[in-house]
Amino acid sequence: AQSVSQHNHHVILSEAASLELGCNYSYGGTVNLFWYVQYPGQHLQLLLKYFSGDPLVKGIKGFEAEFIKSKFSFNLRKPSVQWSDTAEYFCAVNANTGGFKTIFGAGTRLFVKA
Amino acid sequence: GAVVSQHPSRVICKSGTSVKIECRSLDFQATTMFWYRQFPKQSLMLMATSNEGSKATYEQGVEKDKFLINHASLTLSTLTVTSAHPEDSSFYICSAIWGNSRNTEAFFGQGTRLTVV
Repeated sequence: AQSVSQHNHHVILSEAASLELGCNYSYGGTVNLFWYVQYPGQHLQLLLKYFSGDPLVKGIKGFEAEFIKSKFSFNLRKPSVQWSDTAEYFCAVNANTGGFKTIFGAGTRLFVKA
Repeated sequence: GAVVSQHPSRVICKSGTSVKIECRSLDFQATTMFWYRQFPKQSLMLMATSNEGSKATYEQGVEKDKFLINHASLTLSTLTVTSAHPEDSSFYICSAIWGNSRNTEAFFGQGTRLTVV
């Protein structure tokens, strides 16, 4: 069965700092990878996704993620965070097993100080 | 992207009653729908997978008699929380996919906050 682990549960940064959130998954086959964001009081929004091709994926709001197959990783990055990036970030995986169910990591709560 | 709508967005019910939550795919036919539960400050936990016209597949530890799932059509799945108790209070989220190709992305509803009093 697939699983997802996110290394940081809470991250506090100052505005303009760079961000990297770790995500590792366990599944030996082909996977689709996602990062979602959940702003306070709102529902999930897709930041970016990787299906195939260029392992460096660019998403909305200046976020990007890099798929490193050998490390089973899909870390999320942003060069310069803003106060409005304060939210919870979820890494997720689905695979062609069990009907493409999407499994989520525990989430990383990011707080950006103004 | 495709739109998935949940109704109601919030519901308060008395302990012992049943509550039905609807999940609709508005602009596509969903071959598969998923139900998640999110406790405060926690991640989404997959409860079950449902395919149109067949019985739902529940994840380990999820009581299928308590959380009844009906996927009656390609655009509608319902989750009924039966004999609700305060510990069932949570945020319930559905998602839907279409097709079963390699590049399959799930689209999520806005969630339903259930409070059992």
